[in-house]
Amino acid sequence: NAGVTQTPKFRVLKTGQSMTLLCAQDMNHEYMYWYRQDPGMGLRLIHYSVGEGTTAKGEVPDGYNVSRLKKQNFLLGLESAAPSQTSVYFCASSRRQDGYTFGSGTRLTVV
Amino acid sequence: AQSVTQLDSQVPVFEEAPVELRCNYSSSVSVYLFWYVQYPNQGLQLLLKYLSGSTLVKGINGFEAEFNKSQTSFHLRKPSVHISDTAEYFCAVDSGTYKYIFGTGTRLKVLA
Repeated sequence: NAGVTQTPKFRVLKTGQSMTLLCAQDMNHEYMYWYRQDPGMGLRLIHYSVGEGTTAKGEVPDGYNVSRLKKQNFLLGLESAAPSQTSVYFCASSRRQDGYTFGSGTRLTVV
Repeated sequence: AQSVTQLDSQVPVFEEAPVELRCNYSSSVSVYLFWYVQYPNQGLQLLLKYLSGSTLVKGINGFEAEFNKSQTSFHLRKPSVHISDTAEYFCAVDSGTYKYIFGTGTRLKVLA
């Protein structure tokens, strides 16, 4: 069982560059989420999706875009990276109140 | 608006001693509550969850938590910790929107 797979695991970007983080789940979960984790701040919700073709903003959506063209995939895009987006990004998926299943994270550094 | 408070950012405890990690939440509606554990350089794993029913919830690795509605708390406990329990622990609340609000985490350091 793969669960939730995030790619890439590490990335270094220069300010102004763009990139896409990929999240894939094989559990047929309806709900998918992108969080960022920063020291002392816990996890903050960036965007989420309640089903294929739908997305919504979370707590800290500025500077990010998302797409969910297929049920199993949830993409997070950074159009013009900034140093403030240096963080660890986690994708998660869930089915109702079963609890989230998390990916192993993507460590992003913007220089 | 919902919020989750984990007052202790770090908790050192000796091996085989008991531990309690505190979590308080604020919400005007019924909630679902979760505890997650994060080992270094890994994602978060579900430890236990409270959805309804018995207020004492048992989870993996010998952890348990008690839901106290009047005190809006969901403290995590373990009667005897091991070195391998060293990790960061996150409390989370969901008020039925399927979006969890996480606390800022508590680093448990188990000392030999």
